[in-house]
Amino acid sequence: GDSVTQMEGPVTLSEEAFLTINCTYTATGYPSLFWYVQYPGEGLQLLLKATKADDKGSNKGFEATYRKETTSFHLEKGSVQVSDSAVYFCALGKTGRRALTFGSGTRLQVQP
Amino acid sequence: GAGVSQSPRYKVAKRGQDVALRCDPISGHVSLFWYQQALGQGPEFLTYFQNEAQLDKSGLPSDRFFAERPEGSVSTLKIQRTQQEDSAVYLCASSPAGGSYEQYFGPGTRLTVT
Repeated sequence: GDSVTQMEGPVTLSEEAFLTINCTYTATGYPSLFWYVQYPGEGLQLLLKATKADDKGSNKGFEATYRKETTSFHLEKGSVQVSDSAVYFCALGKTGRRALTFGSGTRLQVQP
Repeated sequence: GAGVSQSPRYKVAKRGQDVALRCDPISGHVSLFWYQQALGQGPEFLTYFQNEAQLDKSGLPSDRFFAERPEGSVSTLKIQRTQQEDSAVYLCASSPAGGSYEQYFGPGTRLTVT
């Protein structure tokens, strides 16, 4: 079945460091890919998405490119802030099955 | 506008009790989803409604779990004879009509079974 694998956390960075959170997926067909973020005490929020191969999703300085050849959707940010501290979830969705399949999440801690 | 709301936010139940968890989706959203999130894990799909029709319940872990959305708006997830392994955060999400998979999540209900 479909699955999403994320790097384990926590990822601890200093402010202004470069961030990469790895995400790979296994799925038949052509899924859409998402990054969701969960800030402390809040619900999941959509951060960015990409619906086809080579698409780049971007939002709030975060970017991820849909790489079909490597079945990956790594999340990057050039300069993290303390306010980016949260749990990040990679997810996929497919035509015909509207439910999302999530990875296990990666906690990011940014220190001042 | 108002987002997805869920109640109660926290629920403690003794093993064997029945619980009911409520979800109010964003007004006008056709699709509604329930997910279960265990501690330290990602959400796992339970069931999906389009309007009042339950189109997919393949993720419900046992026949103790039951969900309904009788008027195509508010939904209730009911768990009968709760067990300790039911302890988790239950998330509700809604989505507008159309082909987008974008889902809007509520804050969740944290269920603790003692």
